[in-house]
Amino acid sequence: GDSVTQMEGPVTLSEEAFLTINCTYTATGYPSLFWYVQYPGEGLQLLLKATKADDKGSNKGFEATYRKETTSFHLEKGSVQVSDSAVYFCAPFGANNLFFGTGTRLTVIP
Amino acid sequence: DAGVTQSPTHLIKTRGQQVTLRCSPISGHKSVSWYQQVLGQGPQFIFQYYEKEERGRGNFPDRFSARQFPNYSSELNVNALLLGDSALYLCASSLAVPRAGADTQYFGPGTRLTVL
Repeated sequence: GDSVTQMEGPVTLSEEAFLTINCTYTATGYPSLFWYVQYPGEGLQLLLKATKADDKGSNKGFEATYRKETTSFHLEKGSVQVSDSAVYFCAPFGANNLFFGTGTRLTVIP
Repeated sequence: DAGVTQSPTHLIKTRGQQVTLRCSPISGHKSVSWYQQVLGQGPQFIFQYYEKEERGRGNFPDRFSARQFPNYSSELNVNALLLGDSALYLCASSLAVPRAGADTQYFGPGTRLTVL
């Protein structure tokens, strides 16, 4: 069945550090891929997406590239800020719904 | 433009009771999906509705039901509540039936249900 594996958290970084959160998935076909972010006490916000192989999604300094050959969609940011502290979810789209892993909690310290 | 709205924000119920959660999609969106997010976990798919018809269902018991109205708003009902139903219930809307994710799902703030 469909599944997603994210890098285990929590992740703690200093401000301006480089961020990578790994994501690999198993799915039928070639699903669209999404990263969502959840700030404390809130719902999910779309961060970025990619709909086909080699597409790069980007938003707010975050980037992720759809790698079909490795079924991966790793999230990166060159310089994190305290305001980036949140839980990040990689979410491929299955037959008719998103499927999520457990998420990766990021804490950025000044 | 208003995003996805959900009501109520918080809800406390006791075991065995019934609950109804409400969702209004983004204007122009015709598809609504429901997800359950237990504390510390990722969201799990419950239902998808499009044009008032159920188009997808996750692995949840029959105690969970939903419907969509002509104005595309939706209700999620849960009967015979169990302690394990305590979670954040998220509603997401998209323009049309999401096919291979072509339509992005936009999430509301959620309803926090606590079952005592």
